[in-house]
Amino acid sequence: LAKTTQPISMDSYEGQEVNITCSHNNIATNDYITWYQQFPSQGPRFIIQGYKTKVTNEVASLFIPADRKSSTLSLPRVSLSDTAVYYCLVGDMNRDDKIIFGKGTRLHILP
Amino acid sequence: EAEVAQSPRYKITEKSQAVAFWCDPISGHATLYWYRQILGQGPELLVQFQDESVVDDSQLPKDRFSAERLKGVDSTLKIQPAELGDSAMYLCASSSTLPTGTGTPNYGYTFGSGTRLTVV
Repeated sequence: LAKTTQPISMDSYEGQEVNITCSHNNIATNDYITWYQQFPSQGPRFIIQGYKTKVTNEVASLFIPADRKSSTLSLPRVSLSDTAVYYCLVGDMNRDDKIIFGKGTRLHILP
Repeated sequence: EAEVAQSPRYKITEKSQAVAFWCDPISGHATLYWYRQILGQGPELLVQFQDESVVDDSQLPKDRFSAERLKGVDSTLKIQPAELGDSAMYLCASSSTLPTGTGTPNYGYTFGSGTRLTVV
């Protein structure tokens, strides 16, 4: 199981683009990269998933370089409601790998 | 949008008492997980079920914790006796499994809102 490393916390301002980078040097060939968002007193919520290159949905973009040893979650024009903890997970979810959560990145959006 | 149901939402219990949490996964999801999340930490996997069978319970403190999923649908996690250190959020998640090699990503887990346990 690939271990991930993320910054413990980040601050940004409303309207800015926020990029959170995750390192996963030991990612395996079949592993996908998945990001979750968690608000206080709620369960984590799926944001985006990718395997390589770039993935974009209505919430975020995920950039994955060719070597796949890192990934960057990009949140465009953040608002106060984006204040949350963001988790980067790596695993082969097609096999229901035991997915290990790290401590995540605590993002604080300032007005 | 389908949801994972958990109850109760909050629970306060005295130490040495028994407490139980219930989870109803998304219909059709064969895999069910119980996680424990201590404040300020990421979720920690306690037990994983595939249908009614336990796949992984290596992190479950079996002297006081038990989990069951008798009919392969809903699940119960029990703590007896509760200790002060058990105060945490208990999260249930479910997922479906796609055939390996399809090249189609599985969108991972769907989590419930959790049960916040406070042991006093």
